[in-house]
Amino acid sequence: GAGVSQSPSNKVTEKGKDVELRCDPISGHTALYWYRQSLGQGLEFLIYFQGNSAPDKSGLPSDRFSAERTGGSVSTLTIQRTQQEDSAVYLCASRGGGTVNNEQFFGPGTRLTVL
Amino acid sequence: KNEVEQSPQNLTAQEGEFITINCSYSVGISALHWLQQHPGGGIVSLFMLSSGKKKHGRLIATINIQEKHSSLHITASHPRDSAVYICAGNSGGGADGLTFGKGTHLIIQP
Repeated sequence: GAGVSQSPSNKVTEKGKDVELRCDPISGHTALYWYRQSLGQGLEFLIYFQGNSAPDKSGLPSDRFSAERTGGSVSTLTIQRTQQEDSAVYLCASRGGGTVNNEQFFGPGTRLTVL
Repeated sequence: KNEVEQSPQNLTAQEGEFITINCSYSVGISALHWLQQHPGGGIVSLFMLSSGKKKHGRLIATINIQEKHSSLHITASHPRDSAVYICAGNSGGGADGLTFGKGTHLIIQP
């Protein structure tokens, strides 16, 4: 079965531009997470979607960051007016339902470079 | 705020050695994850545990809930085990975002 996929794999943009990053979770997984991995900060949580519940946005670093999940499946992370400090690898992970098995499955990431 | 502390930051060992990586975590974390990331590679989940011990091949993960401490052990280490190992925790029954340790960069020399 297919794992978590992300696109694009690499994105280079100019400071001030908006970018959209896409995540396709494992089919049937109800939970979806966005994380980012940067040299200075390591791995950090951004946002979490669970089914139809309101997302947990507590990790978003600023109001330039937003995410949506349409139809409980595909998710898009949008960064507006990108800054150089937004350069990082953006990782998506998904998890099956319930609390018995909470293993998260990670996608390959999107490497974002803001010039 | 959840916190995860991991040690050592870097570890170099010879092939065949027994490896231990340690992780301490704060109150509020109820599930502990061990992740592996090879150079230039993606993140792979090795274990998720909230109690006891789990084993997969040469990898063993243990957790002591009272001491809020977990360890990842690698037996008969091999150069292909060279990677960054990351400890991460979450709360709320394990159903929320992960808080990550800074990772342990492991190098196994032949």
